[in-house]
Amino acid sequence: QKEVEQNSGPLSVPEGAIASLNCTYSDRGSQSFFWYRQYSGKSPELIMFIYSNGDKEDGRFTAQLNKASQYVSLLIRDSQPSDSATYLCAADPLSSGSARQLTFGSGTQLTVLP
Amino acid sequence: DVKVTQSSRYLVKRTGEKVFLECVQDMDHENMFWYRQDPGLGLRLIYFSYDVKMKEKGDIPEGYSVSREKKERFSLILESASTNQTSMYLCASRVSDPYEQYFGPGTRLTVT
Repeated sequence: QKEVEQNSGPLSVPEGAIASLNCTYSDRGSQSFFWYRQYSGKSPELIMFIYSNGDKEDGRFTAQLNKASQYVSLLIRDSQPSDSATYLCAADPLSSGSARQLTFGSGTQLTVLP
Repeated sequence: DVKVTQSSRYLVKRTGEKVFLECVQDMDHENMFWYRQDPGLGLRLIYFSYDVKMKEKGDIPEGYSVSREKKERFSLILESASTNQTSMYLCASRVSDPYEQYFGPGTRLTVT
């Protein structure tokens, strides 16, 4: 069973701090990784994806990938109350044939305290 | 911008009714997916399609069927709705390269 594991939280950080969200995956063949933000009652919104080992920055968000350790993380700098949401990690396994299905983690609930 | 739309945001149906949930994407994506999301259970894949008239079962296909007659439209059908199908239903679409997947706004279905 290919799995993506996330700490469900809740994770609380003060406004202005760095929030660190972590994700591990079991399928070594996974090639790309996605972070989604989901506000309560809304659908997941893609915020970042990463394919290569190392860091990828987009504004206040940095995704980090370590394929040797099978570890993906998302850092949110200068956290704002509006960042309070559930963050879903997803892995794209390398497989042949029909549509490649993302494997989703169960999500980490983040609360940014004013 | 990628746009995935779903026919209803909220839907209330009675047990035994046939229910149609429609999803349309405007980016010529090959791949489309139906998920349901329940508290504590996360996202679960019901069915997906990688081409017109092609479909494959996901993790929880029982009680559901799908139809994809046109590339932009993917329908989820509950043949005989039951209370345990009360859930948030999410449609998603995805191009084959670079594999980014986008979700529609979701349909919250209540079966009474």
